[in-house]
Amino acid sequence: GQQLNQSPQSMFIQEGEDVSMNCTSSSIFNTWLWYKQDPGEGPVLLIALYKAGELTSNGRLTAQFGITRKDSFLNISASIPSDVGIYFCAGQPWTGANNLFFGTGTRLTVIP
Amino acid sequence: DGGITQSPKYLFRKEGQNVTLSCEQNLNHDAMYWYRQDPGQGLRLIYYSQIVNDFQKGDIAEGYSVSREKKESFPLTVTSAQKNPTAFYLCASSIGVLAGEQETQYFGPGTRLLVL
Repeated sequence: GQQLNQSPQSMFIQEGEDVSMNCTSSSIFNTWLWYKQDPGEGPVLLIALYKAGELTSNGRLTAQFGITRKDSFLNISASIPSDVGIYFCAGQPWTGANNLFFGTGTRLTVIP
Repeated sequence: DGGITQSPKYLFRKEGQNVTLSCEQNLNHDAMYWYRQDPGQGLRLIYYSQIVNDFQKGDIAEGYSVSREKKESFPLTVTSAQKNPTAFYLCASSIGVLAGEQETQYFGPGTRLLVL
């Protein structure tokens, strides 16, 4: 199946810094989702986006559904140590599609 | 508490042995999914089920089998035909595309399978 292009692959940042990661596709998507996965645990849904251009926040997290419907980004402001983990994007190509396509993940390390 | 449970957390398989991973959800979701995750990689779809008594192969179904006899349960069997079964297995569920909803999947905590 198709995998989305997610970048960067990994990031090392100082506590308090802002973080930005993005996901792109060669085809349009109907839904964009962002998940966080801690080591040895299942991914937890952070933000769901359902409309092109939509900008949604969840605490210090903000995500946008690109206007072209081929990309999405996730920003984390004022990072803290517990932000450490792997962040995945996922997309549904059209309403009624059977499954999601996933990015390969961005591994975030926050240095206290 | 609503959610998805997977058991066991860790599972050891001997060569030539079949093992079954459990996945249960009480979210009243129609659709359920099984993914495999290898170190440093994204998720790959093994099988999915949109409704009870129906399931479809995903991208890497060879060596695996599933059943969907109840809405709440979607067990995955890793058969002896799966030559490289060591991985982290994730179960997910969603309301389901039959409802005409945009897809949002929720994941269980995962089962790590190791071969002895």
